[in-house]
Order: sequence, then C-alpha cells, then structure tokens
Amino acid sequence: QQQVKQSPQSLIVQKGGISIINCAYENTAFDYFPWYQQFPGKGPALLIAIRPDVSEKKEGRFTISFNKSAKQFSLHIMDSQPGDSATYFCAAIVSGNTPLVFGKGTRLSVIA
Amino acid sequence: GAVVSQHPSWVICKSGTSVKIECRSLDFQATTMFWYRQFPKQSLMLMATSNEGSKATYEQGVEKDKFLINHASLTLSTLTVTSAHPEDSSFYICSAETRGHSNQPQHFGDGTRLSIL
Repeated sequence: QQQVKQSPQSLIVQKGGISIINCAYENTAFDYFPWYQQFPGKGPALLIAIRPDVSEKKEGRFTISFNKSAKQFSLHIMDSQPGDSATYFCAAIVSGNTPLVFGKGTRLSVIA
Repeated sequence: GAVVSQHPSWVICKSGTSVKIECRSLDFQATTMFWYRQFPKQSLMLMATSNEGSKATYEQGVEKDKFLINHASLTLSTLTVTSAHPEDSSFYICSAETRGHSNQPQHFGDGTRLSIL
C-alpha cells in the first residue's frame, strides 16, 4: 500500500481554538481524499472529503485545504468544541474497487 | 442511504473457539467489501478485500486459514476467526464499496470488539 503520512499524533486544543491536522501522500493516482472521525468503540465516520481539482472545501466548522503540487492536505477545525474530541484519520483512495489508505490517526482533545 | 450493519458489536469467547462476524449492506448492493483490524490507539489495518462470488484477497501477513472470509451475496460478507487466541483480540471493522449509491466510495460498519479469554 502507498503510504499516507499524518501528523501530529496527538493534539490538545483549547475550546474555541483551531485544530489543524496535516497529511502528505506519495501516490499521484489518488483522486479522493476523505477525513474520518472516530469515537471510541465506533467505526470511522466520514467528516469531509475533497478531490484534487479543488484547493479548498468548507463544511461548517470543518475545512480541507489541498495542495496538489506539494501532495499535502490538511483538516482545519474552527471553533473547536469538547465534542470534537476524537481520533481523526486522513485517507486517500484511487477510485474503483480499491481500499482506502489511512494515515496513522490524530487523537484530538479539546479542553474547556 | 448506504448503511452498513455489522454484527455482533461485541463478543467475548474462550480461547480455541471460532467467531463469525457479519457485515451487511442494508440498502444497497456491494460487490466489494473490505475487512480491517484496529488495535488500541492505532490506525485501521486492511486485512482483506472481499469480492462477491470469488475468493477474498488477503494482505501480506494475514493468515487465510485463520481469518476466513465469505462473500456469498451482494449484501453480506462474513469474517470467521478460527481457533481464536488472545492475540486475536481486536476491533474488527468492515466497509462496503458503494459504487454510485452514495457520494462517498465506502461506508463503514460500527465495528466488532472481539475479546478472547
């Protein structure tokens, strides 16, 4: 599997602050880049996703920034809330019957 | 739409027994399903790709005889952990390829926590 590198491994943010998680990939054939949110004991749930023809996508407090030339993408969580405390995984996929390639995850803790 | 149901959500059994986990696509047909294993505080690790009507494709290092995968219909894939031992204790997650049924390529089940005593 091609690797997707994710950082940081863990992140502590104050309530109301901005959480930023970064990912980098190698395979230029990837054409879909989702972010998943996972709570303990649950499967990952899609948070937001982007395709490489767009440089930014915003949905509510969540924004993906995508830099195709640098092969990097990031998740920004604005006005972070304690309920956002979870593990976040970036992923990438080549469309078709192929599996997602996951980053190693970032444990986010939002403290009041 | 595009709901994936996984059953059971939690199972505890004795060492040496076999455990079957089901993954169902409830409102769509999935020709391809994926099985992942996740250890605490780690990422999802792909175990195998399951295609309806054919043998599963296993990732390197995953024992085919240990983790039996059956995808007999377009809505059901099963993972059987045979002769389970404590080191098989983990969180097992399936996903189903949605192929046009959703705006995302795969939907995940809620996982099965397997504890082997």
